[in-house]
Amino acid sequence: GDSVTQMEGPVTLSEEAFLTINCTYTATGYPSLFWYVQYPGEGLQLLLKATKADDKGSNKGFEATYRKETTSFHLEKGSVQVSDSAVYFCALNKNYGQNFVFGPGTRLSVLP
Amino acid sequence: DVKVTQSSRYLVKRTGEKVFLECVQDMDHENMFWYRQDPGLGLRLIYFSYDVKMKEKGDIPEGYSVSREKKERFSLILESASTNQTSMYLCASRGALDTEAFFGQGTRLTVV
Repeated sequence: GDSVTQMEGPVTLSEEAFLTINCTYTATGYPSLFWYVQYPGEGLQLLLKATKADDKGSNKGFEATYRKETTSFHLEKGSVQVSDSAVYFCALNKNYGQNFVFGPGTRLSVLP
Repeated sequence: DVKVTQSSRYLVKRTGEKVFLECVQDMDHENMFWYRQDPGLGLRLIYFSYDVKMKEKGDIPEGYSVSREKKERFSLILESASTNQTSMYLCASRGALDTEAFFGQGTRLTVV
């Protein structure tokens, strides 16, 4: 079945450090890919998305590129802030399907 | 902006009680979902609904039921709450032509 794998956390960085959170997926066909973010005590918010190969999603300084050849959608940010501390989920959805497949989440802590 | 509202942020219930978790969305979305989020397990789909009065089991439906009498409202029912149902519950909705899902703020349920 379809699946999403993320790097295990927690990830701890100093403010202004470079961030990469790896995400790879297994799916037949051409899924849409997403990064969601969950701040403490909150639900999930869409951070960015890409719906076809080579698309780059970007938002709030975060970026991720849909790489079909490596089945990856790694999240990057050039300079993290304390306010970026949260749990990040990679997810996929196929063909407007009913369900999303989520990765386990990666907790990011940014220290001042 | 899409708004998905869950009726409670925090709930404490006793073992054996019947528990209702309510979710309302204001964007006329066809699809609605209930997830459960547990540490180390990520998000797991309990039930989803693709239309009024229509429902499908997700990955972990045991001990739960759902109701969708109106398009905007999707209720999760714990028929007889048990301590292993202590968790964070997340509701989401998605339009038929949308790629992403929109989440509520979550309900943290504790069963004692």
